[in-house]
Amino acid sequence: GAGVSQSPSNKVTEKGKDVELRCDPISGHTALYWYRQSLGQGLEFLIYFQGNSAPDKSGLPSDRFSAERTGGSVSTLTIQRTQQEDSAVYLCASSSRGQGYEKLFFGSGTQLSVL
Amino acid sequence: GQNIDQPTEMTATEGAIVQINCTYQTSGFNGLFWYQQHAGEAPTFLSYNVLDGLEEKGRFSSFLSRSKGYSYLLLKELQMKDSASYLCAVRAHQTGANNLFFGTGTRLTVIP
Repeated sequence: GAGVSQSPSNKVTEKGKDVELRCDPISGHTALYWYRQSLGQGLEFLIYFQGNSAPDKSGLPSDRFSAERTGGSVSTLTIQRTQQEDSAVYLCASSSRGQGYEKLFFGSGTQLSVL
Repeated sequence: GQNIDQPTEMTATEGAIVQINCTYQTSGFNGLFWYQQHAGEAPTFLSYNVLDGLEEKGRFSSFLSRSKGYSYLLLKELQMKDSASYLCAVRAHQTGANNLFFGTGTRLTVIP
């Protein structure tokens, strides 16, 4: 597709289970970001991949969170032993450099609900 | 680290002008963005400033003062569809890469 694709769009899980969230960036975009947004809140940075460089993981809230990006394209965000406070919308974005600056294009997000 | 502040909520009247302020403190500043986010939807790009001054794009304008760590988004001729959250985001060059950090957003309600 032409945009950033995320799956699933909704995920309901039980506390303690592991979940995987997937992001398919726009073809050719070298940078990929994961953000988390709780209800009525701003975007909380999680992790940032740029090309072949080591990812910036400084925003991951705990060691239960991890992400990888295979082949410089698709990314998976994994949350182990989910907790209720993990409930949020997880947004993925990829970016391109046009007009001299880098603009982010967001996916529609995955709404995660931990019961 | 980054510290980005913007008002939580604002209300304005259809047809009026509204200014949404954003102040920031960051190291390695490398540009400021404004994004619009309608309820339940993904954020979409509105504007970008890296040099001081005003950037105008139709009904929307964005201003930046790097020395003051200050930006504003100006919306003219407000329409009901402008009701949304407006997110200020700062790009900072850290650890060899450019990262983008968002404020908590300003929820704008446009009333008739």
